[in-house]
Amino acid sequence: TQLLEQSPQFLSIQEGENLTVYCNSSSVFSSLQWYRQEPGEGPVLLVTVVTGGEVKKLKRLTFQFGDARKDSSLHITAAQPGDTGLYLCGGTSGTYKYIFGTGTRLKVLA
Amino acid sequence: EPEVTQTPSHQVTQMGQEVILRCVPISNHLYFYWYRQILGQKVEFLVSFYNNEISEKSEIFDDQFSVERPDGSNFTLKIRSTKLEDSAMYFCASSPGQGYGYTFGSGTRLTVV
Repeated sequence: TQLLEQSPQFLSIQEGENLTVYCNSSSVFSSLQWYRQEPGEGPVLLVTVVTGGEVKKLKRLTFQFGDARKDSSLHITAAQPGDTGLYLCGGTSGTYKYIFGTGTRLKVLA
Repeated sequence: EPEVTQTPSHQVTQMGQEVILRCVPISNHLYFYWYRQILGQKVEFLVSFYNNEISEKSEIFDDQFSVERPDGSNFTLKIRSTKLEDSAMYFCASSPGQGYGYTFGSGTRLTVV
């Protein structure tokens, strides 16, 4: 069974702090996506990483794909209350269907 | 920015009734999906649709469920004989191809009473 494990599961931090969310698997992924979901809304695609070792930046968010393409991380610098939400990684490995990670619920306190 | 549109945003139905959830995927996307999310739980895959047929379905997607692309733009999920446990947010998504990220709609909240 293919799994994408995210850690931590929950994170509550103060505004201005930095944080990193991890997405790990034992399988190699051809690409990985990161999404943010707010309550009552659908997940919104943030980024796609394709190449092992790739780093992409989206304002205060930095995404990295592991060299072996089995893991990815999302780093947020100087978190703001607007960053609050559920962060999901997702991807497909080989011929398996697309799967989502277990999710990281982030709360940034003002 | 192209969007995936879902209607209605909220549907309340009596147990045992049939509901149809509607989606308009992004026009040049080829793959279409339905997911559901029970309150507080993870997003669960239901079905994927490509080239006018189901390409993959989960164990959740049993005979109670069906999907259809009745014309060139709409993609529907039909739930027959709804049960209380079908209450959830149902998300439609589309993608241009395999390995690409998904664009999700804002969901339909289904409440079965």
